[in-house]
Parts: sequence; structure tokens; C-alpha cells
Amino acid sequence: GAGVSQSPSNKVTEKGKDVELRCDPISGHTALYWYRQSLGQGLEFLIYFQGNSAPDKSGLPSDRFSAERTGGSVSTLTIQRTQQEDSAVYLCASSPTLGAANYGYTFGSGTRLTVV
Amino acid sequence: GNSVTQMEGPVTLSEEAFLTINCTYTATGYPSLFWYVQYPGEGLQLLLKATKADDKGSNKGFEATYRKETTSFHLEKGSVQVSDSAVYFCALRGRGSYIPTFGRGTSLIVHP
Repeated sequence: GAGVSQSPSNKVTEKGKDVELRCDPISGHTALYWYRQSLGQGLEFLIYFQGNSAPDKSGLPSDRFSAERTGGSVSTLTIQRTQQEDSAVYLCASSPTLGAANYGYTFGSGTRLTVV
Repeated sequence: GNSVTQMEGPVTLSEEAFLTINCTYTATGYPSLFWYVQYPGEGLQLLLKATKADDKGSNKGFEATYRKETTSFHLEKGSVQVSDSAVYFCALRGRGSYIPTFGRGTSLIVHP
């Protein structure tokens, strides 16, 4: 697509429920990143993909968080048994390639998750 | 590890005032440096970048110069507009690093 698309744009869920957040990157972009932006905080790195592979999962806050990417395209971030501290805006970004240091990133508009 | 430090906001200015948002970084080697802007309710957009020392990135009247000697990448604009009100993020990407590092963001509020 023309840009990075994220869905849903807003999600309100009850504590303890599972949620899935979707990211559709720019066509042909091999690198995909997930970040979390909490109120008053900066961007917290969660995970990145090169193709379908996620070499470094150390940024995920807990084992309730998981992510996958299929077909080198769409990625899904899943949060199990949501807690109130999971409330944040989840941002996805993509880049043409992982290796070149001078590429910027194209971000989606984010999914605002509210756990009540 | 890599880190980015930005001045805390909010920065409040009147229209047509001069803007400076400070950004300093810590990184090994020579990273690429970026400024992103986030308008209300939207995702981050790349504003400008510089990939080597003394490079000047510019876009939409904004400028930033890659200063290796002071490890800084300050954002400047000569005359701000109300439409520039947004949150500005400084970021770096180290050579050989796959994880970009962002500052905490600086909110800019421009009054008519």
C-alpha cells in the first residue's frame, strides 16, 4: 500500500482479555518495527522483523506479548491477559531494508489501546 | 549503548518566533541522525535526516546540522507557524545497529 496501515485505530478492552493489533507495511519493505508510546513517555522499542524473522525479542515487556509476521508483509502483535499498564499507543514502522543506516522509517498512525 | 537526549517541553512560542529544540546523542561510531514530527492523532513522520558529520538536513523550513564534535543535532526554524504545533522526536540509528533509538519527544505549541 501507499503507507503503513494499522488496525484497529482504537481498541478498548477489559482487563484479562487478549487483543491482536495488526500492521500492514509498505509493499516491498522488508524491515518492520513495533514501538509502544505511553502517555508522557518516549517510544519504547518492542520488536523488529527482517522478513518473517524476529532475531531479537528482548524488547517485549513480558511473555504476555508476542508478535509474528507472515509472507514478509502483515504483522500481528498479540497481548494476552491484558493489564491496565498495557494501555498505550502501539506504533508500527517499516523500512525498505534493515541494514542501511541512512533510511528513515515510515510509521503508521498507531493503535490506541485502553485496558479498563 | 546508544541514547538520545532532548530538551523537555513543552516549548511555547508565538507565531514567527525562532525555534530551537536541542538534541544530543551518545553512540559508538558515526550514527545517522533523524528528526521526526508527530501531529496530533497521527503517527510519526520523517522530517529530516543527516548521515555524516557536518551534513545539514532540511525540510519545510526546518534545519539541523550533524555536529560530531558536540554530538548534537539541534532542530531550528527561523519563523514558526501555528501549524508547526506538534511533538518532535530526535532519533539515531547506529552503524550496524538494527534498532533505532528515539528521544522522549519535545512538544511545541505555537500561539497566533
